[in-house]
Amino acid sequence: AQSVTQLDSQVPVFEEAPVELRCNYSSSVSVYLFWYVQYPNQGLQLLLKYLSGSTLVESINGFEAEFNKSQTSFHLRKPSVHISDTAEYFCAVRDGGSQGNLIFGKGTKLSVKP
Amino acid sequence: DTAVSQTPKYLVTQMGNDKSIKCEQNLGHDTMYWYKQDSKKFLKIMFSYNNKELIINETVPNRFSPKSPDKAHLNLHINSLELGDSAVYFCASSHQSITYEQYFGPGTRLTVT
Repeated sequence: AQSVTQLDSQVPVFEEAPVELRCNYSSSVSVYLFWYVQYPNQGLQLLLKYLSGSTLVESINGFEAEFNKSQTSFHLRKPSVHISDTAEYFCAVRDGGSQGNLIFGKGTKLSVKP
Repeated sequence: DTAVSQTPKYLVTQMGNDKSIKCEQNLGHDTMYWYKQDSKKFLKIMFSYNNKELIINETVPNRFSPKSPDKAHLNLHINSLELGDSAVYFCASSHQSITYEQYFGPGTRLTVT
């Protein structure tokens, strides 16, 4: 069965510092990976996705993630975070079943401090 | 225009009651989903449904039932509510043959007292 592991439940960082949120997956089928962000009291928003092609994918707000097949990882990085990046971040893998349910990691709470 | 909408946003009710949460998507997607987010923020699939197939997560109690009047709607009906049903419920949709990402609604916070 597919699964997603987010090793860090909380990551506190200072503003303008770099950050990496770790995600590892297990899958025996073709891999489609996603990062979602959840701001306080809001729904989930897609941040970026890997379906195929270039292993480095970027979002419009400066985040990037790299698909590493050998290490079964899809870590999320940002070189300089802002206060507004404070949120819960979820890594997900698409289930190989017919309707493509998402299997989520347990989330990482990113807290950016001034 | 809101892509995936849910009503109500908050729902407070007593144990034993029956309640429904509505979900609508205006994206023309062919598949809709219900997820449950518990107090620890863990997200778990409850149902997925397209016009051909309903897939139920086997861990979901049969007090929960999805109802789809048409392709744009997937409502969640819950019978005999229990304290443990308190959570945030998210609806999502996707187009399986074109893209794989899912678009989420704003969530419904259900509190059972």
